[in-house]
Amino acid sequence: DAMVIQNPRYQVTQFGKPVTLSCSQTLNHNVMYWYQQKSSQAPKLLFHYYDKDFNNEADTPDNFQSRRPNTSFCFLDIRSPGLGDAAMYLCATRDRAQETQYFGPGTRLLVL
Amino acid sequence: QKEVEQNSGPLSVPEGAIASLNCTYSDRGSQSFFWYRQYSGKSPELIMSIYSNGDKEDGRFTAQLNKASQYVSLLIRDSQPSDSATYLCAVTGGGADGLTFGKGTHLIIQP
Repeated sequence: DAMVIQNPRYQVTQFGKPVTLSCSQTLNHNVMYWYQQKSSQAPKLLFHYYDKDFNNEADTPDNFQSRRPNTSFCFLDIRSPGLGDAAMYLCATRDRAQETQYFGPGTRLLVL
Repeated sequence: QKEVEQNSGPLSVPEGAIASLNCTYSDRGSQSFFWYRQYSGKSPELIMSIYSNGDKEDGRFTAQLNKASQYVSLLIRDSQPSDSATYLCAVTGGGADGLTFGKGTHLIIQP
């Protein structure tokens, strides 16, 4: 089945130690999004790619970076994780001709 | 700044009754409206999308949109215990815009 896959599902990292979260999709969608969802809060958009064009939200910290080497894969890099970055990170995809976003299962990040 | 407001609940509804969830949004330019269901520790799952004023029905779910009032609602008929979850309202301005989510309403269906 076509789907959005996120790896790992759970990630534990140390304060200040760089970490990379991965998202892949078999839907061949043009647009890929990264959201951060902290406990009991709404998902918050960090950035998105429209094809290879990167779009950063104004309030996304510089600590967060992203790469999209090809249509199928997108990565979220956190250069120096702080305790406040512990959250669920959600990847979503969308076809340019449609409005619906499809979410992956998420990666729960714990920072020690 | 775009905002989406929901009553956080919890909203408790007896099994078999109608659950009514409400959402308001601040950006009049919003084009597309979504309801997602999120179980604890899981990612959001799309329940309904609606793009024009009026009602849209899909099985036990009905979404209602009133752009003049900047109001979206979700009705769940014949509520089941498995409907117990957090329901997130989300809006977008179209194009490649990301979703702006409300904080969600925690729904509890009492057996």
